[in-house]
Amino acid sequence: GESVGLHLPTLSVQEGDNSIINCAYSNSASDYFIWYKQESGKGPQFIIDIRSNMDKRQGQRVTVLLNKTVKHLSLQIAATQPGDSAVYFCAENMAPGGGNKLTFGTGTQLKVEL
Amino acid sequence: DGGITQSPKYLFRKEGQNVTLSCEQNLNHDAMYWYRQDPGQGLRLIYYSQIVNDFQKGDIAEGYSVSREKKESFPLTVTSAQKNPTAFYLCASSTKGQGAAYEQYFGPGTRLTVT
Repeated sequence: GESVGLHLPTLSVQEGDNSIINCAYSNSASDYFIWYKQESGKGPQFIIDIRSNMDKRQGQRVTVLLNKTVKHLSLQIAATQPGDSAVYFCAENMAPGGGNKLTFGTGTQLKVEL
Repeated sequence: DGGITQSPKYLFRKEGQNVTLSCEQNLNHDAMYWYRQDPGQGLRLIYYSQIVNDFQKGDIAEGYSVSREKKESFPLTVTSAQKNPTAFYLCASSTKGQGAAYEQYFGPGTRLTVT
């Protein structure tokens, strides 16, 4: 999900459906990736992370998939609930072995319809 | 409760004034960060510090200054040199990895409006 200007990409899903949010990252040397959820007016909350030596990691109702060949990251949310409505950001650590600097994508707005 | 606090939640200033945003953490984290977020956009790194008494510029450091005199505190000053200071400011902290990255924990943010 890239965006132009002030218009975030938006994903609308029905309550109970699965959501898939995509992210293209830029640095093939990035070794750590993380998804955050941000509700309006609040700080981002950690959802799940994955290191480059893995291609899949599962949490509670969430799964992150990493495809290093095409530099693509996705977040899958099972049985989406109204409380999942938020902006979701992916981030990559572009300084492997040299610190913990995260570079964030522009975000995707998830809207859950009842 | 362990966490990161930012104060105040809302801040209003007149153009030409410097303003300092507070960030405190009791997570015993070595590294702290300041980000700026504009409406409908992602987070951009202003400054970060991996250890007390040391800090580095991020991607948009111009017009900002920081200090790191204590492990738990990382205040950010928005100076009058910052051309577009109105934004949502987020502070974060993390464990300092030895060759590995770790999640950053975020505070609730301070919304600064300069008129």
